[in-house]
Amino acid sequence: EIVLTQSPGTLSLSPGERATLSCRASQSVGSTYLAWYQQKPGQAPRLLIYGASNRATAIPDRFSGGGSGTDFTLTISRLEPEDFAVYYCQHYGGSPAFAFGQGTKLEIK
Amino acid sequence: QISLKESGPTLVKPTQTLTLTCTFSGFSLNTSGVAVGWIRQPPGKALEWLALIFWYGDEQYSPSLQNRLTITKDTSKNQVVLTLTHMDPVDTATYYCAHLGGFWSSHYFFDFWGQGTLVTVSS
Repeated sequence: EIVLTQSPGTLSLSPGERATLSCRASQSVGSTYLAWYQQKPGQAPRLLIYGASNRATAIPDRFSGGGSGTDFTLTISRLEPEDFAVYYCQHYGGSPAFAFGQGTKLEIK
Repeated sequence: QISLKESGPTLVKPTQTLTLTCTFSGFSLNTSGVAVGWIRQPPGKALEWLALIFWYGDEQYSPSLQNRLTITKDTSKNQVVLTLTHMDPVDTATYYCAHLGGFWSSHYFFDFWGQGTLVTVSS
């Protein structure tokens, strides 16, 4: 079973700062199958990144993803007020077929 | 454009069976490469994947819930139905259906989501 562990649990930053969120897999996974989502209160998740580093449609270029093996990151280069939300990583493959991390809450400092 | 919407009861009693329907538009489950999944989220907690059904009928389930879950499709109605038996208060959650993207490029992600429906399990 692949387990995704996200860190930190909560990240407190100010608008304009750079955010780096981590997603660590319990075993090496293919970067093809790694995605990131953003979720705001009362809303469904929104796809940000797929294949570890590909931005989804209409996602601003301040969002970027990277990593390989067991360690993946989501970077937001300059935080905008609308970026404060909860972020989830997701992997496909193995058992269960889809796994989500426990989330990182990005809050305004 | 693709859209999905969940429907079903908002309140179920313990031991009952939950049946949720996802009605979608903008794509067809008769088309190669298409799949629809269900994901849930207990209040204040993380996302949990439940099940997925592909255009050709293959089904995948979360191992921890496999013996309680069934996912089916009705292509003529553009619907996917999820049933979860033996409901318990711990199953209280917002249930989402979502379109699977990236099948042909071997990227498996959910690119379009329904708004979600909150199901509460209580006597």
